[in-house]
Amino acid sequence: DIQMTQSPSSLSASVGDRVTITCRASQSISTYLIWYQQKPGKVPKLLIYAASSLQSGVPSRFSGSGSGTDFTLTISSLQVEDFATYYCQQSYSTPRTFGQGTRVEIK
Amino acid sequence: QVQLQESGPGLVKPSETLSLTCTVSDDSISSYFWSWIRQPAGKGLEWIGRISKSGSTNYNPSLKSRVTMSVDTSKNVFSLNLSSLTAADTAVYYCAREGPSSRPLDYWGQGTLVTVSS
Repeated sequence: DIQMTQSPSSLSASVGDRVTITCRASQSISTYLIWYQQKPGKVPKLLIYAASSLQSGVPSRFSGSGSGTDFTLTISSLQVEDFATYYCQQSYSTPRTFGQGTRVEIK
Repeated sequence: QVQLQESGPGLVKPSETLSLTCTVSDDSISSYFWSWIRQPAGKGLEWIGRISKSGSTNYNPSLKSRVTMSVDTSKNVFSLNLSSLTAADTAVYYCAREGPSSRPLDYWGQGTLVTVSS
């Protein structure tokens, strides 16, 4: 199985801050990397696929980058509605695997 | 817009088998792969497995001995059976579509809470 490791596990930030979350795969996954946002009690929402492609309807302050084993999700200017947990997932091979999540909290 | 809806029991006894069904709103079940994911309270997401329109499956090795998935394209539904349940299987269970172009989980059901308890 491909292990996905996110860092940090949690972070505190203020509205307007630039936030970066990292995801590392245990082996190369090319650009088969996906990012989701999940708010408490809600369904995960697709943000970014193919490492850097923004899903339709997702604000442009979200961006993704990386290839191989190292990936980042960046929120350029954090908004109130962005406080949530973010998960990466690889779609390179089965079993699909998720990172453990990064909780973004209000400072 | 594709919609998915899980259905099944909310409470199941230990050692029994969980059966969940996911109804897809349109005939896109004839394309793509269809997945099950679960999430224990306060924890992360775990991929259970996926099934194609033809019934081809991939399961998580950690659950493989207990999981069976099936699909009925004529009814636009796919199903999950998970046997030999324990309290550790208590979770919100989601169904989702694995979309095109790098295969993200692009459409999700609202999730159904399954509690394993006697």
